[in-house]
Amino acid sequence: LAKTTQPISMDSYEGQEVNITCSHNNIATNDYITWYQQFPSQGPRFIIQGYKTKVTNEVASLFIPADRKSSTLSLPRVSLSDTAVYYCLVGTSSGSARQLTFGSGTQLTVLP
Amino acid sequence: EADIYQTPRYLVIGTGKKITLECSQTMGHDKMYWYQQDPGMELHLIHYSYGVNSTEKGDLSSESTVSRIRTEHFPLTLESARPSHTSQYLCASSHGQGAQYGYTFGSGTRLTVV
Repeated sequence: LAKTTQPISMDSYEGQEVNITCSHNNIATNDYITWYQQFPSQGPRFIIQGYKTKVTNEVASLFIPADRKSSTLSLPRVSLSDTAVYYCLVGTSSGSARQLTFGSGTQLTVLP
Repeated sequence: EADIYQTPRYLVIGTGKKITLECSQTMGHDKMYWYQQDPGMELHLIHYSYGVNSTEKGDLSSESTVSRIRTEHFPLTLESARPSHTSQYLCASSHGQGAQYGYTFGSGTRLTVV
């Protein structure tokens, strides 16, 4: 199982770009990288997923270097409503649900 | 609008009571999951199902049981609630098995056993 390591917390100010990096040194060839966002008293929400290089959607960008041993979630121009816990997950295609562990996540606090 | 629904949203119940937490999804997903999460802590998989009449236990030992008689419905039951069961319970579903399929979560049920 590919274990992930993320910072426990990060602070930012409104309007700034935020980059959250996740380390996954033991990532396997068939593993995908997925990021979720969780607000207090809510279930996690899927943000973005990638396998290699760069993926961008209307919410965020995901940068994955060639060795895939880490990934960076980039949130452009954050607002107060982006304050949440962000989880990085690594798991294989067709893998068991047991493989996808959420870990402790990164608490992002956006300050005015 | 396709979604996943959990009821009740909040529940306070006495020790020894039997409770069922409801989870339904309208997306036609075959795969469904139950996670348990204490405040500020990690999510732990307690049950999952890959289809009707298929259920498996997750990583975290749980005294709860689940059933999957219909695709859209995945209820979780505690036969005799205890204070140690106090937690948030999150239901999720996915289109397929494997990490390439994103999970859709419900809003959760916050259970307090007194």
